[in-house]
Amino acid sequence: TQLLEQSPQFLSIQEGENLTVYCNSSSVFSSLQWYRQEPGEGPVLLVTVVTGGEVKKLKRLTFQFGDARKDSSLHITAAQPGDTGLYLCADFSGGYNKLIFGAGTRLAVHP
Amino acid sequence: DTAVSQTPKYLVTQMGNDKSIKCEQNLGHDTMYWYKQDSKKFLKIMFSYNNKELIINETVPNRFSPKSPDKAHLNLHINSLELGDSAVYFCASSPFYQPGVPNEQFFGPGTRLTVL
Repeated sequence: TQLLEQSPQFLSIQEGENLTVYCNSSSVFSSLQWYRQEPGEGPVLLVTVVTGGEVKKLKRLTFQFGDARKDSSLHITAAQPGDTGLYLCADFSGGYNKLIFGAGTRLAVHP
Repeated sequence: DTAVSQTPKYLVTQMGNDKSIKCEQNLGHDTMYWYKQDSKKFLKIMFSYNNKELIINETVPNRFSPKSPDKAHLNLHINSLELGDSAVYFCASSPFYQPGVPNEQFFGPGTRLTVL
């Protein structure tokens, strides 16, 4: 059974700081998705990465997929309070298009 | 306009009761899902339907029975509720089902179920 580990579990920072969160898998990702979930809401897709070594940017967010496709990182530059939320990585896995989620990193950005 | 909606938003009930959660999507998507998010925020797939047909059943107790009357609706009925069923249940939809081809899942706002 695939296990996704996300680190850190919790991160509390001040507005303007940079941060990186990580997602590691016990097996090769089929394709990796990052979601953000705000309190009281459902997750919202940020990005899908498929190719080892791929880097995608979404405004202040930079997503990297490891060459071996077993790890990924999300870097946020100049964090803002609106970035507060639970960041989830997920493997879009297997023949049934099942999403297997990590436990998430809970980010709080303080003004 | 709400893309994926769920009712109710909150559900508080006694152990042993039977309850239903409704989900509707107005995105014209083919595939719908139910997920359970526990108190530690761990989100796990329960069921998936494509064009009203079950394609994923993740060893969920048979007290949970999904029903898809049409492509836009996927309801979840739970019999004989137990304390451990307390969680937030999310419905989601995605445009299509093609094995191995990733696509975006759109999540509803969740239903917080509390079993007393």
